[in-house]
Amino acid sequence: DAKTTQPPSMDCAEGRAANLPCNHSTISGNEYVYWYRQIHSQGPQYIIHGLKNNETNEMASLIITEDRKSSTLILPHATLRDTAVYYCIVDRLWGGADGLTFGKGTHLIIQP
Amino acid sequence: EAGVTQFPSHSVIEKGQTVTLRCDPISGHDNLYWYRRVMGKEIKFLLHFVKESKQDESGMPNNRFLAERTGGTYSTLKVQPAELEDSGVYFCASSYRGRNQETQYFGPGTRLLVL
Repeated sequence: DAKTTQPPSMDCAEGRAANLPCNHSTISGNEYVYWYRQIHSQGPQYIIHGLKNNETNEMASLIITEDRKSSTLILPHATLRDTAVYYCIVDRLWGGADGLTFGKGTHLIIQP
Repeated sequence: EAGVTQFPSHSVIEKGQTVTLRCDPISGHDNLYWYRRVMGKEIKFLLHFVKESKQDESGMPNNRFLAERTGGTYSTLKVQPAELEDSGVYFCASSYRGRNQETQYFGPGTRLLVL
């Protein structure tokens, strides 16, 4: 079973920031928070990951709460091409990395 | 740098036939994973190779599925004999093996339809 909880769907207007929440209240100290997305008919695409500090890359920002029990993925200026299913996954980064456990994810729909 | 590639992109076979899927990981990636999504279900982990060795095959559904990675480069996943419930999308992923470097990168998938 997935260790995370996400809303099943969200809408966001094009050009606005999309904020996708994720709850992971049972996360262990050695587990990272990963975000992937799957655009229709493509393989899952890595977005970002973090342990406890906020992270930013060219695709998104990841905000992790101090207690690490939840996080938010931020797409700063959403475009139509960001319409996809977004998966929040917790996993060990090293030490025999396991297969990832995908849940149902959040279907983000960017509206023109 | 080339990403993870998978072949074929689509396969349509009849129940009872054999199908072999291939995955070429990113060059230098020792970790290779197979996943699949069957209709209406979530993406599920099948197995994990480290180089040519099977590290974890706890997700393999049954003995009709055989994965190999001879030489530690590309991998094949054979389904023999295929059943209707094997229809779905099969994804391969790879990652570098090293501290803080094991982010998994996925291929585009092979869409398998068993009739």
